[in-house]
Amino acid sequence: RKEVEQDPGPFNVPEGATVAFNCTYSNSASQSFFWYRQDCRKEPKLLMSVYSSGNEDGRFTAQLNRASQYISLLIRDSKLSDSATYLCVLEGGSQGNLIFGKGTKLSVKP
Amino acid sequence: DVKVTQSSRYLVKRTGEKVFLECVQDMDHENMFWYRQDPGLGLRLIYFSYDVKMKEKGDIPEGYSVSREKKERFSLILESASTNQTSMYLCASSLWGRASANADTQYFGPGTRLTVL
Repeated sequence: RKEVEQDPGPFNVPEGATVAFNCTYSNSASQSFFWYRQDCRKEPKLLMSVYSSGNEDGRFTAQLNRASQYISLLIRDSKLSDSATYLCVLEGGSQGNLIFGKGTKLSVKP
Repeated sequence: DVKVTQSSRYLVKRTGEKVFLECVQDMDHENMFWYRQDPGLGLRLIYFSYDVKMKEKGDIPEGYSVSREKKERFSLILESASTNQTSMYLCASSLWGRASANADTQYFGPGTRLTVL
């Protein structure tokens, strides 16, 4: 299994739709998990951290399943401004560096 | 707000030139990182630093070196630029030092798009 694996997409959805992304990881020792968002030709920015109990931030819900080694991101009521690439990120390596997935591209259409 | 700045947004250099990419963060972060990002390959770690004058190799250090003389500044050096180093270069910083149990959030600069002709 690759360190971090994401479906590259693109996910093309209409405004108002609910969309979910999954990400699988191989390092069972990882303790920290994040979702980053990257707009076209811009830098990645933290969207939200992912906690064991699951967490919600407005229209965004992140969940962690340690047993199956995957994390998910759910976006409800999609907006045009949600169009971006979503990067799955986790702690990896002995020195606590972050490992970035290649991203899932989301395109929200009017 | 954390601010990470990079010296150039766009840079064009010739093969064989020595190239310096500068990164400055204003939040007294201990950790700094250099990545490159290429289509289909995602973000790849080149070098990182946990403290002044300390550096560690990442996944793809070949052809690069770094310098961290001051806490807020981390420089990436291409000793002799080659066409396969054409890429987007992203600098990042994070708060916690090496003693932290968990990696902390990384904050990115706007990136430098380097083209080597």
